[in-house]
Amino acid sequence: DVKVTQSSRYLVKRTGEKVFLECVQDMDHENMFWYRQDPGLGLRLIYFSYDVKMKEKGDIPEGYSVSREKKERFSLILESASTNQTSMYLCASSFPRDTQYFGPGTRLTVL
Amino acid sequence: ILNVEQSPQSLHVQEGDSTNFTCSFPSSNFYALHWYRWETAKSPEALFVMTLNGDEKKKGRISATLNTKEGYSYLYIKGSQPEDSATYLCAFWNSGAGSYQLTFGKGTKLSVIP
Repeated sequence: DVKVTQSSRYLVKRTGEKVFLECVQDMDHENMFWYRQDPGLGLRLIYFSYDVKMKEKGDIPEGYSVSREKKERFSLILESASTNQTSMYLCASSFPRDTQYFGPGTRLTVL
Repeated sequence: ILNVEQSPQSLHVQEGDSTNFTCSFPSSNFYALHWYRWETAKSPEALFVMTLNGDEKKKGRISATLNTKEGYSYLYIKGSQPEDSATYLCAFWNSGAGSYQLTFGKGTKLSVIP
């Protein structure tokens, strides 16, 4: 079974803090993705990576950065958290152009 | 940004009813159309990957059809059960630029009333 894990299910941070969300997959997938999900807006792609150390901006990259130093791990970084980054964050991984497998999500609240 | 639309946004049906909903997507540069099911407090899970015009896929009581020429896919649920309650997402892969990413619709939220 494919497994995608995320470092936290729930996270509460203060405005201005640096936040790291980590995602690990065990299927040797080349592609990894970070989405956020907000009511009425669906899943929106923040960043994706198609190889180690490679990254591409998605639809809403502002305020975020990513790191992929190893194939199995993809980190999302909020350099200075803001209240409008309160959201559900989902990580996914896949082979190129194949089914995406999602992690359980991290519900981040920024106070 | 590619436009993937799903309708209706939400749907309430009685247990035992059959239902269907729609995903529309760009009819040019088609590569694949995915359907995912997302239950509350769980991760989205893949239902179908559809690649050919006229494709029909089936998994138990759930089936899907694909029309790439006109840019739509239907998802059907026969004899809905409470455990079918979930948000159903479709997602479009295009064959052109930006082909590393899926574009998701906003989903159809199905509630099956016992």
